[in-house]
Amino acid sequence: ETGVTQTPRHLVMGMTNKKSLKCEQHLGHNAMYWYKQSAKKPLELMFVYNFKEQTENNSVPSRFSPECPNSSHLFLHLHTLQPEDSALYLCASSHGQGVVETQYFGPGTRLLVL
Amino acid sequence: DAKTTQPPSMDCAEGRAANLPCNHSTISGNEYVYWYRQIHSQGPQYIIHGLKNNETNEMASLIITEDRKSSTLILPHATLRDTAVYYCIVRVVRGGGGADGLTFGKGTHLIIQP
Repeated sequence: ETGVTQTPRHLVMGMTNKKSLKCEQHLGHNAMYWYKQSAKKPLELMFVYNFKEQTENNSVPSRFSPECPNSSHLFLHLHTLQPEDSALYLCASSHGQGVVETQYFGPGTRLLVL
Repeated sequence: DAKTTQPPSMDCAEGRAANLPCNHSTISGNEYVYWYRQIHSQGPQYIIHGLKNNETNEMASLIITEDRKSSTLILPHATLRDTAVYYCIVRVVRGGGGADGLTFGKGTHLIIQP
C-alpha cells in the first residue's frame, strides 16, 4: 500500500452522466496530482495542486473539473464525457516542498464511458 | 525536461540481474534521473533517483555514466514479481522546492522468465 487511496476502483458511465472520482492520501503530503492513462499510451499529467492551489492544468477539457478541498483530498468531477475518455485515472501525492519530489501513486480508477 | 530513450522490451531470467538502460543525452546539470515502474493495471511505483553519483536502495541500483548522458537501472536478483513497465524520467530540480508533474514515456516492458 502506498498511502494513496482512490475510489471507486471501477466506474462505468454514460455520456450524459455526472460522476466524481475521489483520491485521499494519508502521507501528510501537500501536493496532489491527476494523471490519465489511455490504452497503449503513456501516462499523461492532467492537473497539479500544491497546498490546495491548482498550479498546473495540462490543457485538460472542461468536462474534467478538479477540486482540492484540503491537502489530503482530491476530486475529479466528470460530466458529459466521451467514449475516448475511457482510461485509467491515477492520483498521486508528493511532499510539495522538496527539491527532490517523489510521487506516490494510488491504484487508479478504471473508467469506461459508454 | 530532457527526453529519454529506452528499449521497448527486455527479457531476463528469474534470479539473474536485470539491467535496464536509459539514454538521456540532452540532460542538463540541474536534472535528476528518476526510475518508476508500473505493474500491470496498477499505479506507478517509485524505485530510485540520482543526480550524478551511483545510488543503491533496497529495490535497485542506479548507475549514471560520468557524462550523465545515460544510466542503467539494475535489479540484482530479478523475480517474477519484477515483471513490469519501467520508466526512466529526467526532471529539473526546483531550487525552491515545489510540485511538478512527471512526464512519462513508453518505458521498457521487462519480462522475467521463470
